[in-house]
Amino acid sequence: GAVVSQHPSRVICKSGTSVKIECRSLDFQATTMFWYRQFPKQSLMLMATSNEGSKATYEQGVEKDKFLINHASLTLSTLTVTSAHPEDSSFYICSARRISGANVLTFGAGSRLTVL
Amino acid sequence: DAKTTQPNSMESNEEEPVHLPCNHSTISGTDYIHWYRQLPSQGPEYVIHGLTSNVNNRMASLAIAEDRKSSTLILHRATLRDAAVYYCILWGAGGTSYGKLTFGQGTILTVHP
Repeated sequence: GAVVSQHPSRVICKSGTSVKIECRSLDFQATTMFWYRQFPKQSLMLMATSNEGSKATYEQGVEKDKFLINHASLTLSTLTVTSAHPEDSSFYICSARRISGANVLTFGAGSRLTVL
Repeated sequence: DAKTTQPNSMESNEEEPVHLPCNHSTISGTDYIHWYRQLPSQGPEYVIHGLTSNVNNRMASLAIAEDRKSSTLILHRATLRDAAVYYCILWGAGGTSYGKLTFGQGTILTVHP
């Protein structure tokens, strides 16, 4: 079955530093990946759509300079939280859509970011 | 985006069937109905999806109303591992919204031993 791997699963960093989260589709190619953020006891909020070989599309209210997305290959998208602050602490989840096949999204296990 | 409405929470006993309802009165003709579930501290997991006809898979069944304005996810025999937040989501069939899933609040399912 389709598997999406996220790394790291947990990260703690100091305020002002940058953190990179990787999202890999392990056994399929994905031209499109999606990045979500989830605060405690809330639903998932779509942050951006990551397109292989082109610029990401950000949702309204999401700062593209703060959340840098790179989708350099058909199996890897990265989200970099730049100059992280405590309010960026959250659960970040990626998902990937197969190039072909059933219209289903496969989600990663999520990355929990804590900014001190 | 067309919205879905789900009850905030539901409870069930182990081994009993569970029917999770979802209303989507503004669904368009090309929207698929998707169900995902999220266990604590994990990413969402695909459960089932359909367009017009009822669907069955090893995890669940999806019953879709004839007018497509509502659907019901059926877990035939709930287990403790089915305790999760269940999301009913409409998937746009094309255009710029393709694959873009908008999550609502979902239904928190509690399963009692």
